[in-house]
Amino acid sequence: SQQGEEDPQALSIQEGENATMNCSYKTSINNLQWYRQNSGRGLVHLILIRSNEREKHSGRLRVTLDTSKKSSSLLITASRAADTASYFCATDGSTGGFKTIFGAGTRLFVKA
Amino acid sequence: EPEVTQTPSHQVTQMGQEVILRCVPISNHLYFYWYRQILGQKVEFLVSFYNNEISEKSEIFDDQFSVERPDGSNFTLKIRSTKLEDSAMYFCASSGLIDNEQFFGPGTRLTVL
Repeated sequence: SQQGEEDPQALSIQEGENATMNCSYKTSINNLQWYRQNSGRGLVHLILIRSNEREKHSGRLRVTLDTSKKSSSLLITASRAADTASYFCATDGSTGGFKTIFGAGTRLFVKA
Repeated sequence: EPEVTQTPSHQVTQMGQEVILRCVPISNHLYFYWYRQILGQKVEFLVSFYNNEISEKSEIFDDQFSVERPDGSNFTLKIRSTKLEDSAMYFCASSGLIDNEQFFGPGTRLTVL
């Protein structure tokens, strides 16, 4: 089964606008993480939200988690051209932290 | 700031050859991971390693793959007989606690000809 599927697959917005990306998963989780990847580069950890948390903030990032719907969203406020990247959610699945499953990602393009 | 490092950054090899990809995790971390990303596709979990043994592995991680922590700092991924479809970016990651964030290295691009 697929775990951590994001939508939309691609998103193009103007600088200053907000960007919202969604992630759905199938199995129970202990935590869900969001990562960012610039083209061809490594992954940068953005934020981790635990299953008993509903919302978390970090700078311009806001993450929500709805375990009843098995979904999460990542909101980037006041986007900048430098936010252009791919964003992935990752879950630890039913095995706990030993196996992390990534979604297909959302490619965000912020136009200056 | 501590970081995960990987060498080499790019490895080109002939089909059937053995390759060893190297990683130096963050020094006080206890959990280690390998992932791969085929060009244009998502990041795929390969294996996790804790307390000197494999904790979990995916169906991708078959008998051609092995991992080792030969000393206190390095964490290696060996592919015994490379196939064309092994061409991908390979990422190493480490974390301090099992349910904490993972820190990723910059990756090794493996090209199998």
